[in-house]
Amino acid sequence: SQKIEQNSEALNIQEGKTATLTCNYTNYSPAYLQWYRQDPGRGPVFLLLIRENEKEKRKERLKVTFDTTLKQSLFHITASQPADSATYLCALALPSNSGYALNFGKGTSLLVTP
Amino acid sequence: DGGITQSPKYLFRKEGQNVTLSCEQNLNHDAMYWYRQDPGQGLRLIYYSQIVNDFQKGDIAEGYSVSREKKESFPLTVTSAQKNPTAFYLCAGGTGGGYTFGSGTRLTVV
Repeated sequence: SQKIEQNSEALNIQEGKTATLTCNYTNYSPAYLQWYRQDPGRGPVFLLLIRENEKEKRKERLKVTFDTTLKQSLFHITASQPADSATYLCALALPSNSGYALNFGKGTSLLVTP
Repeated sequence: DGGITQSPKYLFRKEGQNVTLSCEQNLNHDAMYWYRQDPGQGLRLIYYSQIVNDFQKGDIAEGYSVSREKKESFPLTVTSAQKNPTAFYLCAGGTGGGYTFGSGTRLTVV
């Protein structure tokens, strides 16, 4: 069966440092991978999408890499700020008879301290 | 404002009752989705609809039902057959470019 793994332990870093979150997957080859941010009691917010033929994608202080050989994506936040504290979810599109639906990892909680 | 609107924000259900969670969108998305999130867990797919009058079961459809009579609306009914319905329910719309989520409905069985 399909499996998406994210670091279950919370990541605590100091303001200004780079946060790196990991997403590993097994048993299928997704056409693309997405990252979302979720704050407590709120719905996830889309951040970035990277396709299988792309190695890296950047958006402001965010960078995502996608290694289809290792079946892994890394999500980086540079110059982290306390406002970046949230849970970050990795999601993969799984093809089905009626199109694609996203499967989500459990998320990694990030805490950025001043 | 454009987006996905879920209501109510909080919902309490008695044992044996059916309840319906509302999800409305004005983003013109063909595809809409329902997810369930339990504490410390990821999102699990309940049902999804790629087009009006069509929907597919997700990974945990048992005890739930949906309808898609209009493009703008995708309500979820939690039936009495769902034995552990207490959770945070999220509706989303979109396709390959990223989903837009609603703010969620927190359902509690009392």
